[in-house]
Amino acid sequence: SQKIEQNSEALNIQEGKTATLTCNYTNYSPAYLQWYRQDPGRGPVFLLLIRENEKEKRKERLKVTFDTTLKQSLFHITASQPADSATYLCALASDSNYQLIWGAGTKLIIKP
Amino acid sequence: ETGVTQSPTHLIKTRGQQVTLRCSSQSGHNTVSWYQQALGQGPQFIFQYYREEENGRGNFPPRFSGLQFPNYSSELNVNALELDDSALYLCASSSKGGPDNEQFFGPGTRLTVL
Repeated sequence: SQKIEQNSEALNIQEGKTATLTCNYTNYSPAYLQWYRQDPGRGPVFLLLIRENEKEKRKERLKVTFDTTLKQSLFHITASQPADSATYLCALASDSNYQLIWGAGTKLIIKP
Repeated sequence: ETGVTQSPTHLIKTRGQQVTLRCSSQSGHNTVSWYQQALGQGPQFIFQYYREEENGRGNFPPRFSGLQFPNYSSELNVNALELDDSALYLCASSSKGGPDNEQFFGPGTRLTVL
């Protein structure tokens, strides 16, 4: 069955450093991959979308890569700030089934 | 521009009861998706409505049903509640169906089944 894995342990990063989160998947060939941020008790907030034919996407301090050979996406936050502390979720969808399949998320903690 | 709103914020029900959750989509959006999110897990897709028609369904039993109204607001109904139905229920709207569209989420309804 389809499986999406994100680091289950919290990621602790010093303020100003680059935070890198991973999203690995198996038994799936996604055409689209999205990253969302979720704060406690709130709904997810869309950050970036990347297509299978795109290797990299950037938005301000955020960068996403998508490697369909490794079946992996990396999500980078440069010059991290305490306000970036949240849970980050990846979600995948194929062209044949528009249903988004979500990872469990990685909790990111940026320490001042 | 009005964001996605959901009601109620919190709800406590007992096993076997029925519940209706409501969602108002963002202005200009005609697609609404519902998700169930258990604590510490990612959202699980329940179903999606596009222009008042169901446009896809996840692996949820028929006691989970929905509705979309002409103004594109939506309801999620759950019958015969079970303890495992306790979760955060999220509604998301988008300007059209499909996986290449940004989804805008509401704050969710926290359902507790006792």
